[in-house]
Amino acid sequence: GAGVSQSPSNKVTEKGKDVELRCDPISGHTALYWYRQSLGQGLEFLIYFQGNSAPDKSGLPSDRFSAERTGGSVSTLTIQRTQQEDSAVYLCASSSYKGEQFFGPGTRLTVL
Amino acid sequence: GENVEQHPSTLSVQEGDSAVIKCTYSDSASNYFPWYKQELGKGPQLIIDIRSNVGEKKDQRIAVTLNKTAKHFSLHITETQPEDSAVYFCATTTGNQFYFGTGTSLTVIP
Repeated sequence: GAGVSQSPSNKVTEKGKDVELRCDPISGHTALYWYRQSLGQGLEFLIYFQGNSAPDKSGLPSDRFSAERTGGSVSTLTIQRTQQEDSAVYLCASSSYKGEQFFGPGTRLTVL
Repeated sequence: GENVEQHPSTLSVQEGDSAVIKCTYSDSASNYFPWYKQELGKGPQLIIDIRSNVGEKKDQRIAVTLNKTAKHFSLHITETQPEDSAVYFCATTTGNQFYFGTGTSLTVIP
């Protein structure tokens, strides 16, 4: 079946511009996660959505970062006024009630 | 919060040898322990997992062991092949947020 998809796969933007990254989770998965991975580094937790509960935003690095999940499915991560240090791969994952977490291919963001 | 430590950070083995990666965690409430393989330019892929009511699980050349008392779990890859070369991450969860190790870069030398 279809896995987690993310778009775009690559995004190049200029410093100061806003970007939107999209995640389509596996159908029926109630939980959705966003992570950031810098080159050669581990996974940095950003935000977590579970059903209709308020999201866990504890990992967002600044107020320039926000995310929403519409209708309990698709999620959008928005970065406002991008900075060069925002350059990274942004990974989305979803999980079912069983807890198994599946990742998308990621969006590689480059801020010039 | 949870603290997950993963060792070693890099590992090189000869093709056909075994590889072992170890993780320790701090939260005794953690009850699910997945392992992920990440190839260059791709997202992490779930390769094996274990739940807290099980001590060992095996899937072909891959096995995971869990010691809840000592709070550590390990990934074992036997008969390694060049295609096993990748970065491996361990993780824990209590059912909500996932906590990841810092990764192990495995190189299998032909």
